Amino acid sequence: SQQGEEDPQALSIQEGENATMNCSYKTSINNLQWYRQNSGRGLVHLILIRSNEREKHSGRLRVTLDTSKKSSSLLITASRAADTASYFCATNPRTDYKLSFGAGTTVTVRA
Amino acid sequence: GAVVSQHPSRVICKSGTSVKIECRSLDFQATTMFWYRQFPKQSLMLMATSNEGSKATYEQGVEKDKFLINHASLTLSTLTVTSAHPEDSSFYICSAYRGTGELFFGEGSRLTVL
Repeated sequence: SQQGEEDPQALSIQEGENATMNCSYKTSINNLQWYRQNSGRGLVHLILIRSNEREKHSGRLRVTLDTSKKSSSLLITASRAADTASYFCATNPRTDYKLSFGAGTTVTVRA
Repeated sequence: GAVVSQHPSRVICKSGTSVKIECRSLDFQATTMFWYRQFPKQSLMLMATSNEGSKATYEQGVEKDKFLINHASLTLSTLTVTSAHPEDSSFYICSAYRGTGELFFGEGSRLTVL
């Protein structure tokens, strides 16, 4: 079942701009993960943030986690055309290691 | 990162036939694999959890006799869509759990039932 809700559903930006997307969830989690999916392809793991972490960086990606608000954000800085994809947050509940995916944000980076 | 291979990537079949999709973890052993289904422009919906050496655990609303899952070894899980119908047309994605908290996904299999 889906637990995460993401916004916006779609985002269109110019190359070089930053892209920010948000994810909210409902139950307690062990960790929250972000994945990227290019059209018609599988998912690529981007970053995992644990419930006791507040911020994490990986290259041009910055993820924040606010467990009190049950929300996370993904920031992609200095976007490139190759960043065009759908981005999903996924939560790992405390009870098991199954992932529940959000609805996703479709990002289009215009050259 | 870890590699998960999914095959076939695309399959077209006639209504009433059965289709098998394979998911292999190429460079690690996966005691647990997951099968997801994704409709166009939608998120991934978990269908079932495949455990090596035991029966799969299906999510609510997923017919176990329709979607047969076999996890015969630590590197291979198969999903068989039995007596496929047009409404079974979808993008099926497998993932393998390596025990580090993250999942590694296959490239997906697009099933079209005519």
